[in-house]
Amino acid sequence: QVQLQQSGPGLVKPSQTLSLTCAISGDSVSSNTAAWNWIRQSPSRGLEWLGRTYYRSKWNNDYAVSVKSRITINPDTSKNQFSLQLNSVTPEDTAVYYCARDYDQNLDFWGQGTLVTVSS
Amino acid sequence: EIVLTQSPATLSLSPGERATLSCRASQSVSRYLAWYQQKPGQAPRLLIYDASNRATGIPARFSGSGSGTDFTLTISSLEPEDFAVYYCQQRSNWPQGAFGPGTKVDIK
Repeated sequence: QVQLQQSGPGLVKPSQTLSLTCAISGDSVSSNTAAWNWIRQSPSRGLEWLGRTYYRSKWNNDYAVSVKSRITINPDTSKNQFSLQLNSVTPEDTAVYYCARDYDQNLDFWGQGTLVTVSS
Repeated sequence: EIVLTQSPATLSLSPGERATLSCRASQSVSRYLAWYQQKPGQAPRLLIYDASNRATGIPARFSGSGSGTDFTLTISSLEPEDFAVYYCQQRSNWPQGAFGPGTKVDIK
């Protein structure tokens, strides 16, 4: 059974960087068949896909147009986890952030969610 | 970008009743549509993928149908634990424009 465990701060100041980590058990971040996603949810935006990382002979990343200039998702093979960094945050980035595995583009396993509030 | 719309926004039903939820895509997504259930304080859970395939461990009272632009999630007889919000998600041009706005099924 795949499990995803999220960690990271719940409060970030405006203009700073939001950083979250998702630790994987039961699968590998280097899997050739899965991709590792970050998704957020807020009352104003609903469920919003942010980006993903995946390995297909080499590492690949895809990012949502809405955050492309501010986002980085990195795999960490030594710890079997992946991370999200979102720069220059504003209160509009306040949301519950989820990591999720995507297998054939279906999100079959999710982390527990982290409420991140952007506030001074 | 493919836009998903869901109707109704809220569905008020009693336990034991049949629930019929709709998801419409702005252009064809073939059968590349999934349904998720989300309860308060929890992450979404995959119910149905590729329009009609139940995910592992999902009860048979959940079924999906449709293709192209019109899809339906049916819950044949509502159990107390089924009152939740349901989202559709397309993977035709995944991951852009992925999710619908949701339908809340609440207790009448």
